[in-house]
Amino acid sequence: DSGVTQTPKHLITATGQRVTLRCSPRSGDLSVYWYQQSLDQGLQFLIQYYNGEERAKGNILERFSAQQFPDLHSELNLSSLELGDSALYFCASSVAGQVTEAFFGQGTRLTVV
Amino acid sequence: QKEVEQDPGPLSVPEGAIVSLNCTYSNSAFQYFMWYRQYSRKGPELLMYTYSSGNKEDGRFTAQVDKSSKYISLFIRDSQPSDSATYLCAMSALQGAGSYQLTFGKGTKLSVIP
Repeated sequence: DSGVTQTPKHLITATGQRVTLRCSPRSGDLSVYWYQQSLDQGLQFLIQYYNGEERAKGNILERFSAQQFPDLHSELNLSSLELGDSALYFCASSVAGQVTEAFFGQGTRLTVV
Repeated sequence: QKEVEQDPGPLSVPEGAIVSLNCTYSNSAFQYFMWYRQYSRKGPELLMYTYSSGNKEDGRFTAQVDKSSKYISLFIRDSQPSDSATYLCAMSALQGAGSYQLTFGKGTKLSVIP
């Protein structure tokens, strides 16, 4: 167990809908990263937050947004869902912004039907 | 050309074999080189990382980085069935303001046969 908690584990929703994925980082970790893993693209970095502020942005679609709250948990919001958004979404956390210390959660499997 | 290339396999070896996993990359700004192991339906787990060039050993695992060739390797000695997993290489460069982001290979699926 990495100490990073993601909920829900599985999510099935229809096209056009909006969902929220939640991540609780390890105790003491200030940085949260979101990744998308699909069969054809592999693991893709979406966005990073550090102590409530956006720190880095990757290949995140405009339909997707994220935030980190004062208690350091983070949420990834996916809207106007398309079939191609079906993937595993991982959250990782680290003490600071150092990716070499990042620990991943178990992921949320999103299926868009 | 993708920034990080990794042969997806699958790779099947007998128990006790030495396994060699490799990645190539194109971005010369990458400074940190990592190997993750991902079991089915689980999140990636960091195995080891190397800063810049050189070798690093941890038990049965050895990571090598050759920046001149833009090539990294992970060797697993005395492979065990429990090593069966997907192995992902990942790399990062400083993005600014102390921020790093990981660029992953697609992963190599390894099966160690008893």
